[in-house]
Amino acid sequence: QQPVQSPQAVILREGEDAVINCSSSKALYSVHWYRQKHGEAPIFLMILLKGGEQKGHDKISASFNEKKQQSSLYLTASQLSYSGTYFCGTEDNAGNMLTFGGGTRLMVKP
Amino acid sequence: ETGVTQSPTHLIKTRGQQVTLRCSSQSGHNTVSWYQQALGQGPQFIFQYYREEENGRGNFPPRFSGLQFPNYSSELNVNALELDDSALYLCASSLVVGASEKLFFGSGTQLSVL
Repeated sequence: QQPVQSPQAVILREGEDAVINCSSSKALYSVHWYRQKHGEAPIFLMILLKGGEQKGHDKISASFNEKKQQSSLYLTASQLSYSGTYFCGTEDNAGNMLTFGGGTRLMVKP
Repeated sequence: ETGVTQSPTHLIKTRGQQVTLRCSSQSGHNTVSWYQQALGQGPQFIFQYYREEENGRGNFPPRFSGLQFPNYSSELNVNALELDDSALYLCASSLVVGASEKLFFGSGTQLSVL
């Protein structure tokens, strides 16, 4: 069963913050985050392993709440380059296939 | 730039035909996965190959098959094409199987079945 992402779409002004959520009904081993721009390959952002860690990558960070089977991606001080569709992918056991959510479309306007 | 290339970029076929999509992985990446991405949806896992053997399969019928070659290239074959097979097909390579490794995606092949 694929994870559920929310919101489905968000529009921001440059400099604003956003949070994208990813929720699963299954116990998770890891959560992956990717960003895809129209006509381009999905690009890896980060992986979070079970243990409730938080990771950061420039002004993009993420958390993973293993007990709630949820992950959130935080985009702070958004830039125009952040526009795209964000996908979370979940793994229920090490080495299993990634199951992707339906995506969150993010548009950052000047 | 992910180092993964796919060909062709676009393809138009008619229902019932067969199609072969190609992927060239990053050198040294011995794992390749194929995904189907319908318009406005997330990628759906088709199957994964590790060292030229199928290593896992999603909920796709047997008319979806694949091959992986020693030179880090791979193929996705779809027989008896149906209208619902119209989608973007992505391949993704990774260095290691059996661990949470990041995937390097190609830009995909857009398949239209008429």
